[in-house]
Amino acid sequence: GEDVEQSLFLSVREGDSSVINCTYTDSSSTYLYWYKQEPGAGLQLLTYIFSNMDMKQDQRLTVLLNKKDKHLSLRIADTQTGDSAIYFCAESGGSYIPTFGRGTSLIVHP
Amino acid sequence: DTAVSQTPKYLVTQMGNDKSIKCEQNLGHDTMYWYKQDSKKFLKIMFSYNNKELIINETVPNRFSPKSPDKAHLNLHINSLELGDSAVYFCASSQGGQLEQYFGPGTRLTVT
Repeated sequence: GEDVEQSLFLSVREGDSSVINCTYTDSSSTYLYWYKQEPGAGLQLLTYIFSNMDMKQDQRLTVLLNKKDKHLSLRIADTQTGDSAIYFCAESGGSYIPTFGRGTSLIVHP
Repeated sequence: DTAVSQTPKYLVTQMGNDKSIKCEQNLGHDTMYWYKQDSKKFLKIMFSYNNKELIINETVPNRFSPKSPDKAHLNLHINSLELGDSAVYFCASSQGGQLEQYFGPGTRLTVT
């Protein structure tokens, strides 16, 4: 199976919360990341969390980490049309070289 | 004021040809990377250079040869292109010891 797995598509209504889920296999992962890719642009680091944390909040973004289940999620509150993008989950050890999932396309409709 | 730029954005070429993709970063970073995103959207590291020295070389055919003339540039030359080389290639940079990588917009290579 894949080292980092995430669903490929998520569709939400504007103003709702979006939750993008990810699972990973490497129990020695030190850092877990969420990257965002807008059309025609490169990946941009949205947020990251250390493996010894279980939650991180940054404005509308909440990252939850369940290390026991190797499950990472990204919640976007009050989702806007500008949040439409591809969201990549990734993990790394101390080398900071991420192993990426295939990305989840978030579609926000009015 | 683009941070990480790649040229060309699109590249269509025939099997057997040799082509290069260029990458430049103006962030003053000392580490640069090449990633390949295949048709199934898997995004994987190919190479990493730190201060012009190769530090990561994943299992990549030796038809792929990265070259770093200086810390701000990392070019990717591909010999004898094959259909399976069709992908989007992303360049990225970071400052050594820092977690965040900055990505270029990607080069979509199509081999016919």
